[in-house]
Amino acid sequence: GQSLEQPSEVTAVEGAIVQINCTYQTSGFYGLSWYQQHDGGAPTFLSYNALDGLEETGRFSSFLSRSDSYGYLLLQELQMKDSASYFCAVKGGKDSSYKLIFGSGTRLLVRP
Amino acid sequence: DSGVTQTPKHLITATGQRVTLRCSPRSGDLSVYWYQQSLDQGLQFLIQYYNGEERAKGNILERFSAQQFPDLHSELNLSSLELGDSALYFCASSGRQLSYGYTFGSGTRLTVV
Repeated sequence: GQSLEQPSEVTAVEGAIVQINCTYQTSGFYGLSWYQQHDGGAPTFLSYNALDGLEETGRFSSFLSRSDSYGYLLLQELQMKDSASYFCAVKGGKDSSYKLIFGSGTRLLVRP
Repeated sequence: DSGVTQTPKHLITATGQRVTLRCSPRSGDLSVYWYQQSLDQGLQFLIQYYNGEERAKGNILERFSAQQFPDLHSELNLSSLELGDSALYFCASSGRQLSYGYTFGSGTRLTVV
């Protein structure tokens, strides 16, 4: 099956940099995705890594190491609006389905 | 507006009842996914449909069922409701590439009393 582990909560100060880690176990790897969810809101897609390395999108970057089954989401120049839950996800299984299995989420609290 | 429409936004019903949640995917997306999110929990995969056919099934209870219609909208039916079924139910749609991610609807908050 698939399983993902990420810290339950992270706290950081406005303007700082924070890294949210994710380790995964999956039968057949097809990429690691990240989603953001504000309280009461819908998850929104942030990034997708299929190959090793760092992908940068504005203040957010995502890193993947397939040999370590590990990735992280890096948030720079933190803003109060970045307070949200962040989920990593992998494709669930080797079948042709595109279903994603999500980690339990990391709640990020940005303090002034 | 994400392009994925879910109705209703809120639903309050009694134990033992049956409800239907509706989802219209983003234009052009053939895949629809249903997820359940209980309070302060992660997203639990329920079921996926692709172009009208069931493609994958997760830990979906036998009391729950879903279908996707020819116009690609999907419905999730929950029956014999229990208090523990209270949760946010999200629908998401996607195209053919994981690299573009899912687009989620705003969810239906179900409260069973």
